[in-house]
Amino acid sequence: DAKTTQPNSMESNEEEPVHLPCNHSTISGTDYIHWYRQLPSQGPEYVIHGLTSNVNNRMASLAIAEDRKSSTLILHRATLRDAAVYYCILRDISNFGNEKLTFGTGTRLTIIP
Amino acid sequence: SAVISQKPSRDICQRGTSLTIQCQVDSQVTMMFWYRQQPGQSLTLIATANQGSEATYESGFVIDKFPISRPNLTFSTLTVSNMSPEDSSIYLCSVGSASMNTEAFFGQGTRLTVV
Repeated sequence: DAKTTQPNSMESNEEEPVHLPCNHSTISGTDYIHWYRQLPSQGPEYVIHGLTSNVNNRMASLAIAEDRKSSTLILHRATLRDAAVYYCILRDISNFGNEKLTFGTGTRLTIIP
Repeated sequence: SAVISQKPSRDICQRGTSLTIQCQVDSQVTMMFWYRQQPGQSLTLIATANQGSEATYESGFVIDKFPISRPNLTFSTLTVSNMSPEDSSIYLCSVGSASMNTEAFFGQGTRLTVV
């Protein structure tokens, strides 16, 4: 799986939008961009994923650069419950059936009340 | 979606002993995955467990140290053998998605401390 690069940590004020960047300059045409987050003392949970177009769901939005070499996870209004480590992961569709995930170091998001 | 139950949730073990971690899924899945998360670190894949075949181990992990069973499509175990303090980690079970448009699911993890 291709490598991703994320800032080690970020801080945001409560009820403010948060933009979490991810660089994936070696992404291939068959890689989906997935985001997971890990709340304290829990296993990772899915947040959102996309291929080329921007995506929205109830948790977040995913903005994908036109060249797909970077993406940004957007939390529109951060709450204290959003404090977690956020992982940007590339999943190769050609490997479907072998669903292992390669986790990078992730971004530790701290929310300031 | 899939609900994954891991047992035990945590344990403190003596060095030299072994611990078996159980992972139960509420639906049939083809592949199950075991990850290790060392203190303050990210997740690292230990092995992939297919029903009816030997597990596939990632580089740096061996069957003698981390034997895995996969007796059916809803259950798997990971054993941490001959433990040392360096094995103190969180061990997580995961199942893959039914398609590329769905997500992977994780158990809550087993927090192991070896003393």
